[in-house]
Amino acid sequence: DTAVSQTPKYLVTQMGNDKSIKCEQNLGHDTMYWYKQDSKKFLKIMFSYNNKELIINETVPNRFSPKSPDKAHLNLHINSLELGDSAVYFCASSHDVTEAFFGQGTRLTVV
Amino acid sequence: QKEVEQNSGPLSVPEGAIASLNCTYSDRGSQSFFWYRQYSGKSPELIMSIYSNGDKEDGRFTAQLNKASQYVSLLIRDSQPSDSATYLCAVIGSSASKIIFGSGTRLSIRP
Repeated sequence: DTAVSQTPKYLVTQMGNDKSIKCEQNLGHDTMYWYKQDSKKFLKIMFSYNNKELIINETVPNRFSPKSPDKAHLNLHINSLELGDSAVYFCASSHDVTEAFFGQGTRLTVV
Repeated sequence: QKEVEQNSGPLSVPEGAIASLNCTYSDRGSQSFFWYRQYSGKSPELIMSIYSNGDKEDGRFTAQLNKASQYVSLLIRDSQPSDSATYLCAVIGSSASKIIFGSGTRLSIRP
């Protein structure tokens, strides 16, 4: 069983659309994250949730809205997609803020 | 100054030699340090954690931490072509609220 799974793996969409990425972890962790990895491979934290509560919200446009229905799930909804949103988005989880385990990534391409 | 800095490489090392990867961090109060390996098109995979000064060995990998110098390194002995990947240094800062990644060093093992 995959420990951290996110769907979809690939997402191609037009500018202006709204899309969601889903993430689930079965590790029993209480902290989940969304990271964005750009074309230069820099992995930048976007959001962090602990026990369903938002604890980190980096300088991310408010078109990005995370939602954590329970400790095992953290979804990312993106409104009005722009070309610059094209990147690989990684979900990760950890027990408190310790070593994180990553999902397989979602490659988002906005055309 | 970036919070976590790494030389982007590429670092080219002959097969069988020792590969040395370096990382510096700016937050003197940081307590937890990690090395991740990321193959092209894949997600980051945790390979080493280190929390106290000195060396920590795991198979062919040795992590070294020097908090006074704010420096952490990863040595890979008997380098194999399968070690060719991008290596990401990650740090949990004194606020203990998030995991911050360096931009990664691309390592290439030449036969």
